[in-house]
Amino acid sequence: DSGVTQTPKHLITATGQRVTLRCSPRSGDLSVYWYQQSLDQGLQFLIQYYNGEERAKGNILERFSAQQFPDLHSELNLSSLELGDSALYFCASSVELAGGVETQYFGPGTRLLVL
Amino acid sequence: GNSVTQMEGPVTLSEEAFLTINCTYTATGYPSLFWYVQYPGEGLQLLLKATKADDKGSNKGFEATYRKETTSFHLEKGSVQVSDSAVYFCALSDPSLTGANNLFFGTGTRLTVIP
Repeated sequence: DSGVTQTPKHLITATGQRVTLRCSPRSGDLSVYWYQQSLDQGLQFLIQYYNGEERAKGNILERFSAQQFPDLHSELNLSSLELGDSALYFCASSVELAGGVETQYFGPGTRLLVL
Repeated sequence: GNSVTQMEGPVTLSEEAFLTINCTYTATGYPSLFWYVQYPGEGLQLLLKATKADDKGSNKGFEATYRKETTSFHLEKGSVQVSDSAVYFCALSDPSLTGANNLFFGTGTRLTVIP
């Protein structure tokens, strides 16, 4: 158990809909990362938040957005869903010390199926 | 830019066989290198890491050495067990230029160990 929790575990929805994925980082970790794992794109970095602020952006679509709340949990919002958004979405957290390379601890993922 | 090229799978070995999974990287700065493992139905777990050239990461009998001259970080294990069956991901983090610690992943190599 990494200490990172993600809910829900599975999500089935229809095209055009909007969903919210939730992540709670390990206790004490200030940084949250979101990754997408799909069959065609592999594991891709989407976005990072550090202590409530956006730190880095990767291949995140404009239809997707995220935020990190004062209690440090994070939510990834996916809207106008398309079939191609079906994937496993992982959250990871780390302490993120300045100038350091921190280990990222991954949650179990949320499997999204868009029908 | 940053990228990771990983040996295509799947790889099937008999128990106690020697394992090598090749990984090479391209990076613009001074990356740290990681191997993550994903067991069936689970999230990613850090297996080992190396933060500078000639460092050797090791864990649970697995080893990988950071080779700057060949830009490689090959994963090895002398004697695999059935319980090692999983998908292995090589990854890099390169915060030296942008300050971002997000991971760049290879495509993953599925290992199956048969008794």
